Amino acid sequence: AQKVTQAQTEISVVEKEDVTLDCVYETRDTTYYLFWYKQPPSGELVFLIRRNSFDEQNEISGRYSWNFQKSTSSFNFTITASQVVDSAVYFCALSEARSGGSNYKLTFGKGTLLTVNP
Amino acid sequence: GAVVSQHPSWVICKSGTSVKIECRSLDFQATTMFWYRQFPKQSLMLMATSNEGSKATYEQGVEKDKFLINHASLTLSTLTVTSAHPEDSSFYICSARDPVGGTQYFGPGTRLLVL
Repeated sequence: AQKVTQAQTEISVVEKEDVTLDCVYETRDTTYYLFWYKQPPSGELVFLIRRNSFDEQNEISGRYSWNFQKSTSSFNFTITASQVVDSAVYFCALSEARSGGSNYKLTFGKGTLLTVNP
Repeated sequence: GAVVSQHPSWVICKSGTSVKIECRSLDFQATTMFWYRQFPKQSLMLMATSNEGSKATYEQGVEKDKFLINHASLTLSTLTVTSAHPEDSSFYICSARDPVGGTQYFGPGTRLLVL
């Protein structure tokens, strides 16, 4: 069975601070995808990144960066120089990479509520 | 990025009525769509997997006769909440899987309030 753990329920920072959101996953699959989504107060889930299990390269996109380490089954997300607009719930998710409708299901973590104060 | 629309965004209805929610992938064809339910301050709960041209696959504990799903085309899936009751009040979100990259893109959600 798959499982995603986001141990941090809530994080509060002051604007311009760096913040890291943790994500630890469990899966028996050798190939899988990892995702991060952002859910602002409006409710819509915004796709941030997808990472294939074969690709352990870290990725940077503007103020966002992701650290994928298979050895520790972690896929952490760092926001550099946080801004008030970054305030949202962030979800880490996992899915299988094998084809087939039910295999595409996402297993979500419980989410981390990030509040960035001015 | 890929866009998924969901309509309506808000529904208020009386107990006993049926409500239909539409989910459309606007710039890609999605053979697989998903319907989720989210309670306040909780994670998303998958209700069912919707495959174009075939019956939906429901998660354990989800009543398929109450939550009717139809995936009539590669860009449209609908969720009908039949005979809605106050306990069905929730935030319903759909997603569409882009077959090219494999990413699920989410609609903006529908807030349902049953009085």
